[in-house]
Amino acid sequence: QSVLTQPPSVSGAPGQRVTISCTGSSSNIGAGYDVHWYQQLPGTAPKLLIYGNSNRPSGVPDRFSGSKSGTSASLAITGLQAEDEADYYCQSYDSSLRLVFGGGTKLTVL
Amino acid sequence: QVQLVQSGAEVKKPGASVKVSCKASGYTFTSYGISWVRQAPGQGLEWMGWISAYNGNTNYAQKLQGRVTMTTDTSTSTAYMELRSLRSDDTAVYYCARARVALEQQLGLCWFDPWGQGTLVTVSS
Repeated sequence: QSVLTQPPSVSGAPGQRVTISCTGSSSNIGAGYDVHWYQQLPGTAPKLLIYGNSNRPSGVPDRFSGSKSGTSASLAITGLQAEDEADYYCQSYDSSLRLVFGGGTKLTVL
Repeated sequence: QVQLVQSGAEVKKPGASVKVSCKASGYTFTSYGISWVRQAPGQGLEWMGWISAYNGNTNYAQKLQGRVTMTTDTSTSTAYMELRSLRSDDTAVYYCARARVALEQQLGLCWFDPWGQGTLVTVSS
């Protein structure tokens, strides 16, 4: 059971917009700690997608965006493409557990 | 380019130890930390711990305290993770990742980029 809760799966058709939530508590996201997002394509290592709640590393398309409010954060993907099918993980800092990941969300492109 | 290259797959018996290496290149090794993250088959990511390549300070996940040791060799820009008293539920892909921070008091600002390719550790009798 992860301290950061994500939906196990989300899906969308090509071109649509999907969001993935990451819900924490007052000891992590609600305490003001930043949220970061990773994309893991099948059979590969995770890749940084969003850092510091809403910043994209160089090379990440602007179809990916992040936001944070209160004890939750969200990753939004617009203009969904087949190559976006992957697992997505949020990550933050917890005052008790140190660095923590969400349980992961599998994105299916219909 | 910034790159982390890990050692190869390992098969170990229960009760044994494993040591995985992670060689960094393309950046100043001592300006960052290294974290280790594992992923059991079909499961999510689990943070194992962090080591500062600047001063060698470590911070381990509570669950693994006493069984894991992380070290660095700054002369070769290589990080190591040793896990002892292996059990079947330690079977996983182990990743190293460059951690954004080199000081423990900055862990609240930490993210991971890039990641190594992963090392499969299989624990089986």
